[in-house]
Amino acid sequence: QKEVEQDPGPLSVPEGAIVSLNCTYSNSAFQYFMWYRQYSRKGPELLMYTYSSGNKEDGRFTAQVDKSSKYISLFIRDSQPSDSATYLCAMSEGYSSASKIIFGSGTRLSIRP
Amino acid sequence: EAGVVQSPRYKIIEKKQPVAFWCNPISGHNTLYWYRQNLGQGPELLIRYENEEAVDDSQLPKDRFSAERLKGVDSTLKIQPAELGDSAVYLCASSLDPRQTSYNEQFFGPGTRLTVL
Repeated sequence: QKEVEQDPGPLSVPEGAIVSLNCTYSNSAFQYFMWYRQYSRKGPELLMYTYSSGNKEDGRFTAQVDKSSKYISLFIRDSQPSDSATYLCAMSEGYSSASKIIFGSGTRLSIRP
Repeated sequence: EAGVVQSPRYKIIEKKQPVAFWCNPISGHNTLYWYRQNLGQGPELLIRYENEEAVDDSQLPKDRFSAERLKGVDSTLKIQPAELGDSAVYLCASSLDPRQTSYNEQFFGPGTRLTVL
């Protein structure tokens, strides 16, 4: 069993819809939870990170972490065609460079105009 | 400010041939990472450098992979000889000295897509 599980999709929704992306994990030592966006033929870019449990909002994006359920989510409001990409969840035990980041396999998202 | 630069962007070789990838991190970033991303998977760490020192190479297949970071700036990752299973995207990332920031964000390059025939 992988440490981080993520539904690969693909997920296709109409423009303006609310998108929900999710990951589960097994390592209770994870404290930092990240969401990366990866466009085709590009490297991943960090969207946002959350420390421990709770919610964090940044514009149209909201990240949620439920450590009791080992479940994290990313919500995208008012989705745009430019949001079409692969979204990778990622986690680590600490914030320093010594803390290895474990990535999910990514969910491919397509926003239909 | 320029991001992480990698070259070549694409490489096609026959199995048993050698191949090398080059990475230039963001200026001032002390930590450099090499990741491998297989198709449909997330990146997996191969090696991490703090300045010139390889501080975590536990996931690097040392029988055929080697890496170096001369002068603590640019880095090269080499595979010799390449095998069919090495086909993947090789990503380089860099981050600031973690003592200077509360969260150690990694910035990724565009990657080198390797195809081994």
